[in-house]
Amino acid sequence: DGGITQSPKYLFRKEGQNVTLSCEQNLNHDAMYWYRQDPGQGLRLIYYSQIVNDFQKGDIAEGYSVSREKKESFPLTVTSAQKNPTAFYLCASFRSGGRNSDGYTFGSGTRLTVV
Amino acid sequence: GEDVEQSLFLSVREGDSSVINCTYTDSSSTYLYWYKQEPGAGLQLLTYIFSNMDMKQDQRLTVLLNKKDKHLSLRIADTQTGDSAIYFCAEREQAGTALIFGKGTTLSVSS
Repeated sequence: DGGITQSPKYLFRKEGQNVTLSCEQNLNHDAMYWYRQDPGQGLRLIYYSQIVNDFQKGDIAEGYSVSREKKESFPLTVTSAQKNPTAFYLCASFRSGGRNSDGYTFGSGTRLTVV
Repeated sequence: GEDVEQSLFLSVREGDSSVINCTYTDSSSTYLYWYKQEPGAGLQLLTYIFSNMDMKQDQRLTVLLNKKDKHLSLRIADTQTGDSAIYFCAEREQAGTALIFGKGTTLSVSS
């Protein structure tokens, strides 16, 4: 079955370390997104990519970086410059040119905790 | 910029109807969605409505759109304990732009 996979499910990071969250999809979707979820804050857009080798900053891109070398993969790096990285991170994808009724397909999320 | 507002909590008894409300500011919003999130999981698309529609019904779910007031609601009939989750309203202006989400409404269903 096609889907979108995020790994790991739980991740612990020490202060000052960079960590990379994986997001892989086999849906042949063109667009991929990273959101951050904090309690009571809803989902806030970090970065998105509509095509391979291109990506755009979202509302809260500072302290994060991404790459899109392959259509299937959109990894997110949380750098040491991100002051408050503890959160639940969600990756999503969408087939450009697809029906808007399809909405986004979401991964199951990665919970990052700074220790 | 665009903004989507939702009330944060709703508590109902099993068997009652639940109504979750959402307001948005972008008058050019064309596509509006409702997502459900269970604890520790990603988001699942429940239903959607296009801005040229007033109502959409899908089994126990009814979506009402008042475009003049920029108000969207999700009604869940015969609410069950399995409906307990966070419900997100989201809007998008046009295809290709990112979804803008509300902060989510936590629905608690008691038996």
